[in-house]
Parts: sequence; structure tokens; C-alpha cells
Amino acid sequence: AQSVAQPEDQVNVAEGNPLTVKCTYSVSGNPYLFWYVQYPNRGLQFLLKYITGDNLVKGSYGFEAEFNKSQTSFHLKKPSALVSDSALYFCAVRDRASGTYKYIFGTGTRLKVLA
Amino acid sequence: AAGVIQSPRHLIKEKRETATLKCYPIPRHDTVYWYQQGPGQDPQFLISFYEKMQSDKGSIPDRFSAQQFSDYHSELNMSSLELGDSALYFCASSLSSLAAQPDTQYFGPGTRLTVL
Repeated sequence: AQSVAQPEDQVNVAEGNPLTVKCTYSVSGNPYLFWYVQYPNRGLQFLLKYITGDNLVKGSYGFEAEFNKSQTSFHLKKPSALVSDSALYFCAVRDRASGTYKYIFGTGTRLKVLA
Repeated sequence: AAGVIQSPRHLIKEKRETATLKCYPIPRHDTVYWYQQGPGQDPQFLISFYEKMQSDKGSIPDRFSAQQFSDYHSELNMSSLELGDSALYFCASSLSSLAAQPDTQYFGPGTRLTVL
């Protein structure tokens, strides 16, 4: 079965510093990986996805993620954090075992950017 | 750009009552997904529909049912509500979920259901 793990419940980073939110995956076959952000009382907003091609994927709001096959990781990164980036971040893998593509989400990582 | 619309945004019900949640996908999207997010938890897949047919089923209780209509909107019907059903219910839509390349799921703002 497909799964993703987000080992950190919370990440704190100072504004202006680089940030990394970790995600590791376990899939059979080619992985299709996604990052979403959730602000309080809001829906999930799509940030970026990896399907194939370049290991470095660029997404919305200056975020990027690096796909590392040998380490089965898909860490989310941003060179310079903003206070407004503070939110809950979910990594997800597409489960294609049944023919349609539901997402399996990680447990989420709360990012806190300190001014 | 048009997004996924969910109604109502908030719903308060008593135990054993029924509730109906509605989802209007992004125009031209043919697949709708329902997720349940409990307090402090990650979203859990419930059920999905492709071209008005149920395409996948996750951890949806037997008390819940859903359907997709001819205009592609979907409704999640919940009966005999329990306290544990209190959660945020998300609908997402995508285009051509059976295509070789997975399309991105776009989520609605969610319906917050509180069962008293």
C-alpha cells in the first residue's frame, strides 16, 4: 500500500531563513507526490506535484520540492520563509491501486515562521 | 478562476439526525472526491465518483452514502449521526482521473459538521 510519512509535527523557523518540511514515501511503482497547504478553517491549497522529470519541482508561493528516489523523500523547501507561510502542510501520494487516484495524506507538519 | 464550491460551510446537527453536504466541482472536472478530516488529523478518503459512477471507496461508514448527479455536482448523505462524525468534510475535483497522467485534485473550503 502507498503511504507517506511526515516525521515532524511542527517546524519552527525564523523569518528570512530557509525552511524544509520533510516527507518520505513508500509506494509500489512510480510515485506521484503532492504538497498541499492548509490555513486555519480553510481548504487544502495545491502547492506542487512530482510526476516525472526533473527532481526539483517548483510550485506556488516560492516553494519547491526535491524528489530523491534513493532516499524515498520529497522534502518541501523555500529559500526564505515568510511569516505568512505559517500553516499546516500535507504531503500526499496518489494511490492508483484501485484505478482511480485518491490521495493518501501524511499526518501534516505545522510550520511556524517567527518574525 | 472558478473553484470547488461546498455548501453549507457550517452545519450543526443532533445525534441520530441526518445531514446532506453538497459539492460543486470546478467546471469540466469529471471526478469528485470526498475526504473527512477529524480535529488535528490528516484528511481521510471516503469515496469518489467518475462520470457519475462510484469509482473508489475508502473508509466511508455504511451510514453514509453519496452520489454524483448529471450536472457533476455531488452530495454526501449522512444518517444516524454520531458525535464522532464531527469533522471537516472536504470535496475535491479533478479532470480525467483515469488518464495516464494524474491530474491535480483541487479542494473546496470544506463543510464543518458539528454533531451535538
